[in-house]
Amino acid sequence: AQSVTQPDIHITVSEGASLELRCNYSYGATPYLFWYVQSPGQGLQLLLKYFSGDTLVQGIKGFEAEFKRSQSSFNLRKPSVHWSDAAEYFCAVGARSGNTPLVFGKGTRLSVIA
Amino acid sequence: EPEVTQTPSHQVTQMGQEVILHCVPISNHLYFYWYRQILGQKVEFLVSFYNNEISEKSEIFDDQFSVERPDGSNFTLKIRSTKLEDSAMYFCASSKDRGKETQYFGPGTRLLVL
Repeated sequence: AQSVTQPDIHITVSEGASLELRCNYSYGATPYLFWYVQSPGQGLQLLLKYFSGDTLVQGIKGFEAEFKRSQSSFNLRKPSVHWSDAAEYFCAVGARSGNTPLVFGKGTRLSVIA
Repeated sequence: EPEVTQTPSHQVTQMGQEVILHCVPISNHLYFYWYRQILGQKVEFLVSFYNNEISEKSEIFDDQFSVERPDGSNFTLKIRSTKLEDSAMYFCASSKDRGKETQYFGPGTRLLVL
């Protein structure tokens, strides 16, 4: 069965500092991989996705993520965090066949301090 | 940019009552989904819907739940007799196709069962 692990429940970074949010997945083949962000009172907004090809994918708001098959990881990064990035971040996997519900991690809450 | 909308944003109900959560998916999308997120837990898949029928459902989606597309635009989730443990944020999502097509999420309906 597919599963997603986000080891960090809560991360606090200073504004302007770099950020890396970890995501590990368990899946029998190469899945589709997604990062979503949820701001307070908002829905889930897609940041980026990996389907195939270049393992470093660029997303919105200056985020990027790198797919590492050998580590079953899809970590999210941003070189310089802004206060508006404070939110909950969810990693998700989807299967490549069939009608595929997403399987989500528990999320990482990001706090940004001045 | 088209988006998924959900109403109401908040719903409070008494245990045993029926609730209907409403979603308007993106207009040219063909696949529709409901997910839920119990407070502090991960986002979980409930059901997917295509061509006016359920295409996949999770074990959470028992006989108390039903989905319907009553017209060309709305997609509803009905809980017939709510239980305390149904309290959660319910997200609707839609996608153009399945598999690698991105699922776009609505802002959610927060349901509280008293």
